[in-house]
Amino acid sequence: GAVVSQHPSRVICKSGTSVKIECRSLDFQATTMFWYRQFPKQSLMLMATSNEGSKATYEQGVEKDKFLINHASLTLSTLTVTSAHPEDSSFYICSARAWTSGGAARNEQFFGPGTRLTVL
Amino acid sequence: AQRVTQPEKLLSVFKGAPVELKCNYSYSGSPELFWYVQYSRQRLQLLLRHISRESIKGFTADLNKGETSFHLKKPFAQEEDSAMYYCALGSSGSRLTFGEGTQLTVNP
Repeated sequence: GAVVSQHPSRVICKSGTSVKIECRSLDFQATTMFWYRQFPKQSLMLMATSNEGSKATYEQGVEKDKFLINHASLTLSTLTVTSAHPEDSSFYICSARAWTSGGAARNEQFFGPGTRLTVL
Repeated sequence: AQRVTQPEKLLSVFKGAPVELKCNYSYSGSPELFWYVQYSRQRLQLLLRHISRESIKGFTADLNKGETSFHLKKPFAQEEDSAMYYCALGSSGSRLTFGEGTQLTVNP
């Protein structure tokens, strides 16, 4: 259980175009999803928190007009990179928060496989 | 602001040797700490969380609030433990702050 998928796994686009990445929780409902960015040989950097039915919360320094997030259902969040440029090329990873059962266990995040974006 | 530091980017040990991956954090609130692992060509997955106080795949980690550390340990490393390990700090709204990661290589 608790599987998160991302689509596409890899995308190449021309500079100036927009690209949409989907993140789905396949077997659970996720009121909260997270979007990360990872540069080669670097750590994951949280970009934004996506909440179902409300506006996303962006981290400091992340342009909300450039990285549009929509979380229209309990199983789907989308990240749209608008007017992409070569510097937006990166590995984008989403995660979904699911509550696990048990007295000691609390919420944890399940990660998608990531989307490699290359902007030419 | 929260911060997670993993001082070693690379760590190499021989099979059967003990291994310790270091993690230090700074956070003004009550910390919730995790270790995530990423095997080659696989997605990030949770290995341990401090509140569970469990041992997974022989790994343990103890939260030391005095030293603000959450080091990951295993007494006898195996080749299949070779992977990228990330320490993460959970804060409000379940946001995670990740460390830079440590690439562990276990040699035969």
